Amino acid sequence: GAVVSQHPSWVICKSGTSVKIECRSLDFQATTMFWYRQFPKQSLMLMATSNEGSKATYEQGVEKDKFLINHASLTLSTLTVTSAHPEDSSFYICSARVPGSRNIQYFGAGTRLSVL
Amino acid sequence: GENVEQHPSTLSVQEGDSAVIKCTYSDSASNYFPWYKQELGKGPQLIIDIRSNVGEKKDQRIAVTLNKTAKHFSLHITETQPEDSAVYFCAARGGNTPLVFGKGTRLSVIA
Repeated sequence: GAVVSQHPSWVICKSGTSVKIECRSLDFQATTMFWYRQFPKQSLMLMATSNEGSKATYEQGVEKDKFLINHASLTLSTLTVTSAHPEDSSFYICSARVPGSRNIQYFGAGTRLSVL
Repeated sequence: GENVEQHPSTLSVQEGDSAVIKCTYSDSASNYFPWYKQELGKGPQLIIDIRSNVGEKKDQRIAVTLNKTAKHFSLHITETQPEDSAVYFCAARGGNTPLVFGKGTRLSVIA
């Protein structure tokens, strides 16, 4: 299947700092990418839909100023957790929809964020 | 909006036995139903999917069935192996809407 690369896989940061997570589609161009958050032993919670060249669509309850999403190219979307706090610690996963595949979606390996 | 229920939440089977995970969905407009396998600390991996114009799809030891009338779809894993142990998620989507996931099933295959 298509490859979605996510970086970094694990990041530890101090409270109050910002962290950027990158999501790249390696062998296809993705006009639409998705960002999910997953708590331990729980399902994936959609945070936002990232569309290349336009503003992201955030799900209800997700703070857009807290979780900044940029999808500046057809192969890269970034999620920046601004002024991170311990409650932002979680597993963040990106996903990209393969164009022309009738909506098949592939996921990155995820980023574990720990805020001290 | 769409709501996906998944059962069971945990499932233990002996190696070599079959495992069945079931999901129901609420939106009759949903037409795409993928299944993902997630190993500890990793992202979900697409293992099989089915569309609403098909009732069954098989890929080696994995099969998925869909009953549109009842809004049910199921994952069947035959001849289970220890490496099948993981969390499995079903999902549903209609048109261009985001995937809606079930809560997951933790499968343990006991050698």
